[in-house]
Amino acid sequence: KQEVTQIPAALSVPEGENLVLNCSFTDSAIYNLQWFRQDPGKGLTSLLLIQSSQREQTSGRLNASLDKSSGRSTLYIAASQPGDSATYLCAVSTNQAGTALIFGKGTTLSVSS
Amino acid sequence: NAGVTQTPKFQVLKTGQSMTLQCAQDMNHNSMYWYRQDPGMGLRLIYYSASEGTTDKGEVPNGYNVSRLNKREFSLRLESAAPSQTSVYFCASRNSGVNTGELFFGEGSRLTVL
Repeated sequence: KQEVTQIPAALSVPEGENLVLNCSFTDSAIYNLQWFRQDPGKGLTSLLLIQSSQREQTSGRLNASLDKSSGRSTLYIAASQPGDSATYLCAVSTNQAGTALIFGKGTTLSVSS
Repeated sequence: NAGVTQTPKFQVLKTGQSMTLQCAQDMNHNSMYWYRQDPGMGLRLIYYSASEGTTDKGEVPNGYNVSRLNKREFSLRLESAAPSQTSVYFCASRNSGVNTGELFFGEGSRLTVL
């Protein structure tokens, strides 16, 4: 059974710091991996989607990498800002139809000014 | 850009009452999903619809029913609400297939069952 783990559960950094959030999964047979951001009391906002054939995706200050063989993905945030404070979740699709999606429990990031 | 729209945003029910959560997407996605999010449990799939006319159970379907009314709309019904169904419910949609796309979420429906 696929399991997705995000460590640490919480992270506090000062503004301007570069940081890495981790996501690991137990079964390397995934079709894609997606990173989300969730603000308190809000829905999930898609940040980056990496297909299984890709190694990384970039959007602005965000860079997500995927290493299927080791069952890991990282989300790199450059020059963090207080507005980046949120919970970050990763999710893996375990079938081609995209109907089976396993979520991690998230890392809550706090960026202080 | 509306994206995924859920109604209502907040609801308080008494045990045994019924209600329907509505969800609509305007992105022409074929697949739609209902999740619940509880503290410490993360997001759990209740039901999904891979395409118009089909629905399937997810991880926690007991106590719920769904209807895929058309390609745009996917509703979730609680026939007899229980306190254990107090949660935040999210609807989501995506295009699924050879190149499965991004999953987009609604803002959530916060349900309290007394």
